[in-house]
Amino acid sequence: GQSLEQPSEVTAVEGAIVQINCTYQTSGFYGLSWYQQHDGGAPTFLSYNALDGLEETGRFSSFLSRSDSYGYLLLQELQMKDSASYFCAVYNAGNMLTFGGGTRLMVKP
Amino acid sequence: DVKVTQSSRYLVKRTGEKVFLECVQDMDHENMFWYRQDPGLGLRLIYFSYDVKMKEKGDIPEGYSVSREKKERFSLILESASTNQTSMYLCASRGGDQPPHFGDGTRLSIL
Repeated sequence: GQSLEQPSEVTAVEGAIVQINCTYQTSGFYGLSWYQQHDGGAPTFLSYNALDGLEETGRFSSFLSRSDSYGYLLLQELQMKDSASYFCAVYNAGNMLTFGGGTRLMVKP
Repeated sequence: DVKVTQSSRYLVKRTGEKVFLECVQDMDHENMFWYRQDPGLGLRLIYFSYDVKMKEKGDIPEGYSVSREKKERFSLILESASTNQTSMYLCASRGGDQPPHFGDGTRLSIL
């Protein structure tokens, strides 16, 4: 089967940098994605890593190490609107997308 | 822009009822998914479909069935609703190698 581990909650202040880690165990790994979900809203796609390394998109970056079965989402210059839940998810064989339990990020002034 | 529409945002049903949750996408995507989301458990895959009339079980299919008679529509069916099926249900669709797009969710309460 597959499993993903990520912290349940992270707190940071406005303007800071925060890193949300994700470790996974899965068969037939294709890639790692990150999703953001505000309370009451749908998950929205943030990033996708199929290869090792860092992908940067504005204030958000995502990293993958396939050999360590590990990735992280890095959020820079935190803003209050970044308060949300963040989910890592793995694509595996059979076109399935499996999600972690989510990390609730609280940004404080 | 991809649009995934779920028929209801909120739904209240009674134990034992047969419940239908509908999802429609407008991008001719091959793949469609049904997840349920519960606090601390993330999103868990119930069923997915990679083509019309094709379906595959996800991680938690027990108590559910699905129907995909047309490419744009994927229905989730609770054959006999139980209180432990009270949850947020999310539909998603995906085309090719693109990331899946989610609907706004249906918050289902079973009394």
